[in-house]
Amino acid sequence: GAGVSQSPSNKVTEKGKDVELRCDPISGHTALYWYRQSLGQGLEFLIYFQGNSAPDKSGLPSDRFSAERTGGSVSTLTIQRTQQEDSAVYLCASSLTLVGGSEQYFGPGTRLTVT
Amino acid sequence: SQQGEEDPQALSIQEGENATMNCSYKTSINNLQWYRQNSGRGLVHLILIRSNEREKHSGRLRVTLDTSKKSSSLLITASRAADTASYFCATISNDYKLSFGAGTTVTVRA
Repeated sequence: GAGVSQSPSNKVTEKGKDVELRCDPISGHTALYWYRQSLGQGLEFLIYFQGNSAPDKSGLPSDRFSAERTGGSVSTLTIQRTQQEDSAVYLCASSLTLVGGSEQYFGPGTRLTVT
Repeated sequence: SQQGEEDPQALSIQEGENATMNCSYKTSINNLQWYRQNSGRGLVHLILIRSNEREKHSGRLRVTLDTSKKSSSLLITASRAADTASYFCATISNDYKLSFGAGTTVTVRA
């Protein structure tokens, strides 16, 4: 079946502009996660959703970052007033449930470049 | 902050040789997972080992977990050129979010 998809695959934006990144999880997966991978770094957890609620927003680096999930499916990550340090690959993952920390399936990522 | 730390940071081996990489973590975990990331692509889940397991096999992969030392190892046997990738360990504690290390870059020379 179809895996996790993300769009756009690449985004170049000017500093100060807002961007919206989209994630389509695997159908039926209730948990959805956003991570950020900066150049040469490991992955940094941003936020996760169980259904439409986001019980853990602790990883969002600033209040310029927000995310929502509607209908228990598609999620969007919005970065307002982008800064150069926001440049990274943003990865979305989904899993069947949260229970027991089940396997997460990752999308291909969105490479964001802030100029 | 990152929970896991991989060692070595980079590894270069000849095709057919075995590759071993280690991961250490700081806090108690629910399970530990290994992922592979090919250049420019997303992460692929390789294997999950639970905190009450000590060893797990999947094809040419062997993972060990020592919770007393807070460490895990990933062994890739009979390596192939296609195994060239970055390998990340990730831990899940009770809060269900994966905490990744910085990864080990493995290069398999033909």
